[in-house]
Amino acid sequence: AQTVTQSQPEMSVQEAETVTLSCTYDTSESDYYLFWYKQPPSRQMILVIRQEAYKQQNATENRFSVNFQKAAKSFSLKISDSQLGDAAMYFCAYRSHTTGNQFYFGTGTSLTVIP
Amino acid sequence: DGGITQSPKYLFRKEGQNVTLSCEQNLNHDAMYWYRQDPGQGLRLIYYSQIVNDFQKGDIAEGYSVSREKKESFPLTVTSAQKNPTAFYLCASSLTNRGLYEQYFGPGTRLTVT
Repeated sequence: AQTVTQSQPEMSVQEAETVTLSCTYDTSESDYYLFWYKQPPSRQMILVIRQEAYKQQNATENRFSVNFQKAAKSFSLKISDSQLGDAAMYFCAYRSHTTGNQFYFGTGTSLTVIP
Repeated sequence: DGGITQSPKYLFRKEGQNVTLSCEQNLNHDAMYWYRQDPGQGLRLIYYSQIVNDFQKGDIAEGYSVSREKKESFPLTVTSAQKNPTAFYLCASSLTNRGLYEQYFGPGTRLTVT
């Protein structure tokens, strides 16, 4: 089974600053999908951003962008201009292109935004 | 509005009792999933189903059972055999097509067993 590692259990950032959350994964596949989810205190999981492995261009969604390094099996999330509402748990997830329907999640990074 | 509903939001049971958590989706997704979330452990897969009347065990299926009689519904039963059932339970669904399709999640059920 694929494994997803988030090595930063906790991170903090000053409001309006930029923070990067790291994620690495282990796979022998060449094609797959990667996701970042946000879980605020309400505990509702919200999709932040997604990336197909065969696309070289890094995905961007407003203040959220990724740095996808396929050879290094790294998929970090950058949050620019951090806002108080960004405070949450962030989970990195992997979905196989071939087996399709199972998702593998990291253990999460708890992000604190300091006013 | 399409989405996933889980009920109830909070559930309390006495030790030794079975309890069933509800999950319903109207997204027309074939695949449905149950996860357990404990502090510091992320999401752990309990069971998943890719089609009606079929389901597979995940990483921590012991002490749990599921059914998938309808496409929209995937209830999870926490049996008395589950040694540590107090946790937050998340239901999710997704398309089964190949492609950049994410999982959609319900709001979760917090189960407390005393």
